[in-house]
Amino acid sequence: DAMVIQNPRYQVTQFGKPVTLSCSQTLNHNVMYWYQQKSSQAPKLLFHYYDKDFNNEADTPDNFQSRRPNTSFCFLDIRSPGLGDAAMYLCATSREGEDTQYFGPGTRLTVL
Amino acid sequence: QKEVEQNSGPLSVPEGAIASLNCTYSDRGSQSFFWYRQYSGKSPELIMFIYSNGDKEDGRFTAQLNKASQYVSLLIRDSQPSDSATYLCAGRKRTFRGSQGNLIFGKGTKLSVKP
Repeated sequence: DAMVIQNPRYQVTQFGKPVTLSCSQTLNHNVMYWYQQKSSQAPKLLFHYYDKDFNNEADTPDNFQSRRPNTSFCFLDIRSPGLGDAAMYLCATSREGEDTQYFGPGTRLTVL
Repeated sequence: QKEVEQNSGPLSVPEGAIASLNCTYSDRGSQSFFWYRQYSGKSPELIMFIYSNGDKEDGRFTAQLNKASQYVSLLIRDSQPSDSATYLCAGRKRTFRGSQGNLIFGKGTKLSVKP
C-alpha cells in the first residue's frame, strides 16, 4: 500500500545532542511537509518542499534544518535539541494542486 | 488573533447522539477547510474537506461552511465510542505558488462519546 513512513517512531535524545528524523513516501507526491505538534496543541508547520524547493516558515528556529535528497525521502535535523523541542514530529505529503495532505504516523521525540 | 479557533472541549455526548464541532477562522483568503481526527498519540487522519458554502455529507459526517460568517462545522451523526478523539479543523492558506497552500490548524476539540 502506498503510504508515508516515519522512522523512528520514538526517539530519545540528550539535551544538545543532534538528532535526525526521517520520512519516506511511496505516493510519489512532490510536496512534503514537517510539522511539530506539542501536547494539546495544533500541528505547527516548520517547513515544506515543493519538489526540491525549500520553504521555511518565518518562525521556525534555526536549530531545525531539513534535507530532501530525492522525491521519496525527507529528513528533519535538530542540531541542538532543547527540552522545549520535545514533541511529536509529523511528516505529510501532498500532490501539488490537490487538497489532501497525507500524514505519516509521527515520531515522538523525548529530550532528556 | 489566532487564525483558526476551536473550542478545546472536552465535548461529551452519549452514544447515538449528534456531535457538533465548530471552528472559526480569521483569514478571509482561506479557500478550503479540512477536518482531521486524531486519536491520542497518533497522527491526524483526514475525515473530509469542504470548499463551497453549504453542506457536504459523507456517511455519518457532515461538514458545513459559511464563508460570510467565517465558520466551519462538523456534525457526526449516530456517534460511537470509537469516534472519541480530538478533531482538528484546518484552513488552507494561499501561498505564492499557484493555489496550493499550507494548512493552518486549530488546536482541536476533544470529543468523548459515552456508551
